[in-house]
Amino acid sequence: DGGITQSPKYLFRKEGQNVTLSCEQNLNHDAMYWYRQDPGQGLRLIYYSQIVNDFQKGDIAEGYSVSREKKESFPLTVTSAQKNPTAFYLCATNTGAADTQYFGPGTRLTVL
Amino acid sequence: KQEVTQIPAALSVPEGENLVLNCSFTDSAIYNLQWFRQDPGKGLTSLLLIQSSQREQTSGRLNASLDKSSGRSTLYIAASQPGDSATYLCAVCLYSNSGYALNFGKGTSLLVTP
Repeated sequence: DGGITQSPKYLFRKEGQNVTLSCEQNLNHDAMYWYRQDPGQGLRLIYYSQIVNDFQKGDIAEGYSVSREKKESFPLTVTSAQKNPTAFYLCATNTGAADTQYFGPGTRLTVL
Repeated sequence: KQEVTQIPAALSVPEGENLVLNCSFTDSAIYNLQWFRQDPGKGLTSLLLIQSSQREQTSGRLNASLDKSSGRSTLYIAASQPGDSATYLCAVCLYSNSGYALNFGKGTSLLVTP
C-alpha cells in the first residue's frame, strides 16, 4: 500500500514534556512538510524538507524541531518551548516541485 | 505576505443544488492553486490543481476556475450530494528562496442536507 502514515493518532502531553510525532511515507517523494491546524483555521506551515539532511523553517517554527535522516521519515518534535501546542498536526509530501501535496491522516495533540 | 480568503465560511444547501465556493488571494505571482477536501478529524484530500497558466480544471462534478490577474478562484460543485458535506480548503503555491510552499485559506464548511 502506498501512502503516508502518521502516529500516534492521538497524543497527550503534560506541560514541560517534549513529544515526537511520526510521519512515514512510501511514495518515494523527495519533499515532506509539517502543518499545524487549529479549530476554524487554515493550515500553517511549521517545517519542510526538500531533500534528505536538509530542512527549512516555515511560518511558525518556534518551539518545534525536525530531522530528515531518511527519505521516508520526517519526525516532528514538539518541545516544552511551544507554549500552545494543542492542535491537529498534518504531514504532507510531494515530488518537491510545485506539485500536488498528499496528506497523512493527522495526529491530534492535547496538552493536559 | 500572501493572504488567502475563502467565502462563505459556511454553507448549507439541499441535495441536488449546484453551488459555488470562492477563494481570493492577494499576490498573483502564484505557481498554482489547489483545492482540497477535509472530512472532520481527517487529513486533506486533493481535489483539483490548476496551474497558473490554466483557466480551469474539471474532475467529475467538480470544476475549478482561476483568474490569476484578479486573484480569484471558484470551485463549482454540480448536483450536490450529502456525501459532499465536508470542509473545502483553497491553497496557493508560491516559491520562496527555500522552495515551494502552500498558503491556505480557512476553508468553507459545506453541509448538504437530504
